[in-house]
Amino acid sequence: EAEVAQSPRYKITEKSQAVAFWCDPISGHATLYWYRQILGQGPELLVQFQDESVVDDSQLPKDRFSAERLKGVDSTLKIQPAELGDSAMYLCASSPLTGISSYGYTFGSGTRLTVV
Amino acid sequence: AQSVTQPDIHITVSEGASLELRCNYSYGATPYLFWYVQSPGQGLQLLLKYFSGDTLVQGIKGFEAEFKRSQSSFNLRKPSVHWSDAAEYFCAVGRYSGGGADGLTFGKGTHLIIQP
Repeated sequence: EAEVAQSPRYKITEKSQAVAFWCDPISGHATLYWYRQILGQGPELLVQFQDESVVDDSQLPKDRFSAERLKGVDSTLKIQPAELGDSAMYLCASSPLTGISSYGYTFGSGTRLTVV
Repeated sequence: AQSVTQPDIHITVSEGASLELRCNYSYGATPYLFWYVQSPGQGLQLLLKYFSGDTLVQGIKGFEAEFKRSQSSFNLRKPSVHWSDAAEYFCAVGRYSGGGADGLTFGKGTHLIIQP
């Protein structure tokens, strides 16, 4: 079964440092999402890509977060500088452009970020 | 704006007993509704989804959910729970248009505890 790949699985970083997460969606999925899940809460959408274009980044803290999907395939989410409040699980998901009724949004296993 | 409410933060059920997790949504059009399950430190696994048609949806692991438009609800049920069902359960609402699938809006989750 196809999976969304994310790395690293865990990341510990000091505050004010830069950190990056990587996501490889299911092959052929045009839409890619990054979510942040704070402990004890549901995931919240940070950014949505359609191929290489950003469709929605209204909830992305743009002063410190950036996301790119240069070739419309894999994606990187960066935080610089990291703050203590950024400690969370960062989830990537993908979905196909068409035929959504045959699929669901598929999530990766996430990256657990701890900022110390 | 769309929203999802999961009224129960925690639910405790005895093994073998029936289960119902509540979900209410607010959305201005026909919603696409999902239930996901998350084990500690893991990503989200899709249990079931509703797009249209039959309002009773069957999912994996013996779960089912019923869409009730008049009550704006999409409650998750299972006739007999197993200890392995202990996890966090998230209800989510999304929208799909010709341009693709928008990011999901999640509820805050219900933590399911199974008593032996």
